[in-house]
Amino acid sequence: EAGVTQFPSHSVIEKGQTVTLRCDPISGHDNLYWYRRVMGKEIKFLLHFVKESKQDESGMPNNRFLAERTGGTYSTLKVQPAELEDSGVYFCASSQDRAGPPYNEQFFGPGTRLTVL
Amino acid sequence: DQQVKQNSPSLSVQEGRISILNCDYTNSMFDYFLWYKKYPAEGPTFLISISSIKDKNEDGRFTVFLNKSAKHLSLHIVPSQPGDSAVYFCAAGSNDYKLSFGAGTTVTVRA
Repeated sequence: EAGVTQFPSHSVIEKGQTVTLRCDPISGHDNLYWYRRVMGKEIKFLLHFVKESKQDESGMPNNRFLAERTGGTYSTLKVQPAELEDSGVYFCASSQDRAGPPYNEQFFGPGTRLTVL
Repeated sequence: DQQVKQNSPSLSVQEGRISILNCDYTNSMFDYFLWYKKYPAEGPTFLISISSIKDKNEDGRFTVFLNKSAKHLSLHIVPSQPGDSAVYFCAAGSNDYKLSFGAGTTVTVRA
């Protein structure tokens, strides 16, 4: 079974430019999440999709970030325009709906390292 | 408002000995906790979880202990092996699915 994949693995852009990150979840996983880790700090939740619907976007930093999940399959996260503080590693994760242990086990992709100069 | 804290950024342990990683949380609404392991250039991978109604869960060399009154959990790895060298993240969740993570503890197992 293929895991969660993310593209690109690295992106270096200048302040003010636009970048789009892509995530392909595990097939059959209705839940898709975006997280971000900045400079070795904690991994922070950005948002949660259930199929194509945004279930929770409470972690999105501001309106420069736009996430979509057309058709309930892959998802994109666009940053426009990018600022220096957007640099970090963006992780995507997916999970099945399940009750019981291991309670909402989320499978993570390898991340996209974004550097804004 | 960081709700999950791992106060030890790093831990060095000799091969064969016990590794103990600690985690504290502030939100009493969390009802399950997980530990993830992360190697460089990879995403975090699930290691072990525990429900808030339990105080211990064991899986092979890994045991997680939960002290709800202290809002504290720990991960024990016995015996530690070189392949255990990684960053370990403590995470917590409730019924809204999103996970709150700590900043991670880098474990180095010395031969």
